[in-house]
Amino acid sequence: AQKITQTQPGMFVQEKEAVTLDCTYDTSDPSYGLFWYKQPSSGEMIFLIYQGSYDQQNATEGRYSLNFQKARKSANLVISASQLGDSAMYFCAMRPTGFQKLVFGTGTRLLVSP
Amino acid sequence: DAGVIQSPRHEVTEMGQEVTLRCKPISGHDYLFWYRQTMMRGLELLIYFNNNVPIDDSGMPEDRFSAKMPNASFSTLKIQPSEPRDSAVYFCASSLAHQGDYGYTFGSGTRLTVV
Repeated sequence: AQKITQTQPGMFVQEKEAVTLDCTYDTSDPSYGLFWYKQPSSGEMIFLIYQGSYDQQNATEGRYSLNFQKARKSANLVISASQLGDSAMYFCAMRPTGFQKLVFGTGTRLLVSP
Repeated sequence: DAGVIQSPRHEVTEMGQEVTLRCKPISGHDYLFWYRQTMMRGLELLIYFNNNVPIDDSGMPEDRFSAKMPNASFSTLKIQPSEPRDSAVYFCASSLAHQGDYGYTFGSGTRLTVV
C-alpha cells in the first residue's frame, strides 16, 4: 500500500519569497509517479507538477519545482517568488506506474502575506 | 474542452432523502474517479471506472452508496438514504491512461450538506 505524509498543516511566507512544502511517501512499488495539486479557497483541484520515479532530473513548471530525493522518499514542492494567489491548500499524491489510483496526503495550507 | 462537469455544485438535503450527484468526464478519457473530501478524512477515493466498468469500489463506505457509469460521458453517485455524516465535498475526476504524467482532471466538486 502507498502512503503520503505531509507534516506541515500550515505554512506562512511573505510575498516574493520562496517556500518549500514537504512531502514524504512510502511505497514498495519500484516505479511510481508523484503529483502536487493546489486547492484554492474556491475548492477546485488544480494539477501543478509531476515527477516520475525514474526521471533523472527534478521536474519544473514555471515557478513550481519538485525537489525529488528518491533515497529519502521525499518529493518536496518548491514555490519560488510567492504570490498572493498562491495562498491555498497543497496536496501531494502518488500512484504506482501502470495503476490509476491516486493516494493523497492530508495537505498543507499555505498563506502568502503582502 | 469544457473540463469535467459536475452537478449540482451545492446540494442541501434532509436526512433520509436520496441524493444523486452527476459527472460528465472529459471526452475521450477512459478513467473516471469519485472522491470524497472531509476535514477529518481528507481526500478518499470511493470508486473508479475504466471504460465504464467499475474497477475498484473498496472505498465506498456503505451499501447506501452506489455509483454507475452507463456510458462514457456520464456517471452518477447515489446516496440512499442520506445521513448527516455524508456531508462532504464530492469530486469527480477523469484521466487518460496514456497521459499518466498529467494526473487527473478534477471537476469543481459538489458540496453536499445533509441536515
